[in-house]
Amino acid sequence: EAGVAQSPRYKIIEKRQSVAFWCNPISGHATLYWYQQILGQGPKLLIQFQNNGVVDDSQLPKDRFSAERLKGVDSTLKIQPAKLEDSAVYLCASSPASLLGQGRKAFFGQGTRLTVV
Amino acid sequence: AQTVTQSQPEMSVQEAETVTLSCTYDTSENNYYLFWYKQPPSRQMILVIRQEAYKQQNATENRFSVNFQKAAKSFSLKISDSQLGDTAMYFCAFIDFGNEKLTFGTGTRLTIIP
Repeated sequence: EAGVAQSPRYKIIEKRQSVAFWCNPISGHATLYWYQQILGQGPKLLIQFQNNGVVDDSQLPKDRFSAERLKGVDSTLKIQPAKLEDSAVYLCASSPASLLGQGRKAFFGQGTRLTVV
Repeated sequence: AQTVTQSQPEMSVQEAETVTLSCTYDTSENNYYLFWYKQPPSRQMILVIRQEAYKQQNATENRFSVNFQKAAKSFSLKISDSQLGDTAMYFCAFIDFGNEKLTFGTGTRLTIIP
């Protein structure tokens, strides 16, 4: 079974530049998550999609971050303009449906490490 | 708001020994799930074990087991016969039936010493 694919693996940009990350979830997974993991911290949920609708984006800094999931499959996360504090690993995860079912789990990609200089 | 606390930033243990990682959480909900995830240097989160709050029996997965104390809101992970491949960051995580948001703790860096 193919896993969650993310690209790029690494990205270095200057502050105030723009950047985009791409995620291809496991085929058939309805739920997609974007997490931000700052060094030394646990992942923080930025946005959660159910198919192509947003379930939760309460922690997404909407003045600079945006995300979309066209056709309920692939997703992109964009930062414009980037700040130094955006340096982090951005993780994408997917699950078949809600995690609130017996045996269900989220599958994670390998993440994109963003460095803003 | 739900919070997850891991009070041990780093731990190390000799290979083949047993180690216990601590986790406490705070919630007003009665129905929820708890997880332990492993994050090796490759950065990919891997589910280690899962516990449903309505189950009294502690979950086990081969060398991994949990001690779930619902009243104390404690959820520790025990790794028996530790192996070099267990070296990783370990995150405790929580999800409740209310908002379905998976919340992570700050992690414990575990090093298995040969």
